[in-house]
Amino acid sequence: DIQMTQSPSSLSASVGDRVTITCRASQSIFTYLNWYQQKPGKAPNLLIYAASSLQTGVPSRFSGSGSGTDFTLTISSLQPEDFGSYYCQQSYSTPRTFGQGTRVQIK
Amino acid sequence: QVQLQESGPGLVKPSQTLSLTCSVSGYSISTSSHYWSWIRQPAGKGLEWIGRIYTSGSTNYNPSLKSRVTISVDTSKNLFSLKLSSVTAADTAVYYCARVDTAMINYYYMDVWGKGTTVTVSS
Repeated sequence: DIQMTQSPSSLSASVGDRVTITCRASQSIFTYLNWYQQKPGKAPNLLIYAASSLQTGVPSRFSGSGSGTDFTLTISSLQPEDFGSYYCQQSYSTPRTFGQGTRVQIK
Repeated sequence: QVQLQESGPGLVKPSQTLSLTCSVSGYSISTSSHYWSWIRQPAGKGLEWIGRIYTSGSTNYNPSLKSRVTISVDTSKNLFSLKLSSVTAADTAVYYCARVDTAMINYYYMDVWGKGTTVTVSS
């Protein structure tokens, strides 16, 4: 199985801050990488697919980059509604695997 | 728009079989070319992919659960199902179903999710 490792595990930032979350795969997954946001008590919501493609309806302050083993999710200007947990997920091979998650809190 | 809804018992006894269904509305499983997935999340923990089924009925399972998992599809009822046998307390989790969409050939992602259903394994 491909192991996905996210960092940091949690962060606290102020409204307007630029926030970056990283995700590392245990082997190359090219750009087969998706990002999800999950709010407490809710299902995950797709933000980014294919490493850098923004899902329809997702605000443009979210962006993704990377290829191979190292990826980043960036929130250019953190908004109050961006609290929650963020997960990366590889779609290169089965079983699909997720990172352990990054919890984002608003200061 | 496409909506998914999980249903099934919220409480299952140890060693028994967990059975859930995911009803799809606003979209026909039989005419689609999608995978349909199950994912679970223990309380306070991360997401675990259980497996997926294609419209044709072909499946892929997580090897960690493979011997206990069966995913099936019923196109006549527009739903797909999960069965997990010989459950233990470790199978207690929120279970989600999701549609898998694709872009640019072979880029798969879960774009529509059900709200999730909590299953507790306890005697």
